Amino acid sequence: KQEVTQIPAALSVPEGENLVLNCSFTDSAIYNLQWFRQDPGKGLTSLLLIQSSQREQTSGRLNASLDKSSGRSTLYIAASQPGDSATYLCATADKRPGGTASKLTFGTGTRLQVTL
Amino acid sequence: NAGVTQTPKFRILKIGQSMTLQCTQDMNHNYMYWYRQDPGMGLKLIYYSVGAGITDKGEVPNGYNVSRSTTEDFPLRLELAAPSQTSVYFCASSHGELFFGEGSRLTVL
Repeated sequence: KQEVTQIPAALSVPEGENLVLNCSFTDSAIYNLQWFRQDPGKGLTSLLLIQSSQREQTSGRLNASLDKSSGRSTLYIAASQPGDSATYLCATADKRPGGTASKLTFGTGTRLQVTL
Repeated sequence: NAGVTQTPKFRILKIGQSMTLQCTQDMNHNYMYWYRQDPGMGLKLIYYSVGAGITDKGEVPNGYNVSRSTTEDFPLRLELAAPSQTSVYFCASSHGELFFGEGSRLTVL
């Protein structure tokens, strides 16, 4: 059974700092890995999706990397802003027979606060 | 496109009552999911569907039922509500990338 872990559970950084959020998983046979953002009382918004064959994906100030052999993914946020304050979750998608994605396993998230 | 729409956003139930959480998506996705999110526990999969007429259990299916008569709709039924079902419920759909609804906050008293 896949287990996804995110450390630290909470992080506070001053505005402008670059930061890295970590995600580790126990089963490397994944179909893809996705990073989400969740604001308080809201649903999850997809940030980046990395296919199992890819090493990284970039969107604006966000860069996500994937190392399946070590069971790790990182989300790099450059030049952090107060608006980046939210909970960030990663999730792995299992491989199904035939190669299509199955259900996702989520980490418990990292709560990020960017201070002025 | 509205994306994934869930109703109701909030609901209070008494123990033993039943209700249905509605979920509809307009992206023509085959895959749909129901998750519950409890504080500090992450998201747990309740049920999922890979297409109309096909559903399967996730990690925590007990006390819930689903149906998938159309590609667009994936309602979640709670029978005999219990306090342990107090949670925030999220519906999602996928065609590779996962898209979530805004959530339904359910309290069982």
